Amino acid sequence: EVQLVESGGGLVQPGGSLRLSCTASGFIFRTYWMSWVRQAPGKGLEWVANIQQDGSDKFYVDSVKGRFTISRDNAKNSLYLQMNSLRGEDTAVYYCARIYGPGSYFDSWGQGSLVTVSS
Amino acid sequence: HSALTQPASVSGSPGQSITISCTGTSSDVGGHNYVSWYQQHPGKAPKLMIYDVSNRPSGVSNRFSGSKSGNTASLTISGLQAEDEADYYCSSYTISSTVVFGGGTKLTVL
Repeated sequence: EVQLVESGGGLVQPGGSLRLSCTASGFIFRTYWMSWVRQAPGKGLEWVANIQQDGSDKFYVDSVKGRFTISRDNAKNSLYLQMNSLRGEDTAVYYCARIYGPGSYFDSWGQGSLVTVSS
Repeated sequence: HSALTQPASVSGSPGQSITISCTGTSSDVGGHNYVSWYQQHPGKAPKLMIYDVSNRPSGVSNRFSGSKSGNTASLTISGLQAEDEADYYCSSYTISSTVVFGGGTKLTVL
């Protein structure tokens, strides 16, 4: 069974940093693209970033470019999101998701980790 | 890429059919056949319901179907059931190798 478990969320002040982690199990992690998707309270889904199997290719939504960095450690079956210069509008539940197929479909999701940016 | 456009809400009675539209541009929905749909119940993670415009993952009911014409994709749910009440999101891969979601549609089963 595919499992994705996020951790690292919490309360952080504006301008601060936070690192989210996602531990994967039940599939061969190193063979899949992976992604972060977020959802602000009461709002819709927003794609944040994708990373290729070996970490060589990464793509970001414009609003986080230069502030967020997606990375992975295939030896630890883990995905990360380093978030710097956090803003109030970054407050959201952050989901780790497995990407299936060339069309970047998200076929497995974690339970989400809440990040709250507030003073 | 701006968010794809979906109606904020749709409703239907049990047994009826409903269709949710998803309008983008030639840079996303209209540019290829990489459109997907997700179902999300309150407090839960999204679930993939349709991919490649019209394909269903294993385990998804055949009451769910997808189509596309030009820059607009559609999700149709036939034989509505109470358990279908949820938020639905479309998504498209873009020509910039990014992903864009629709704003979401709340389905109410009357």
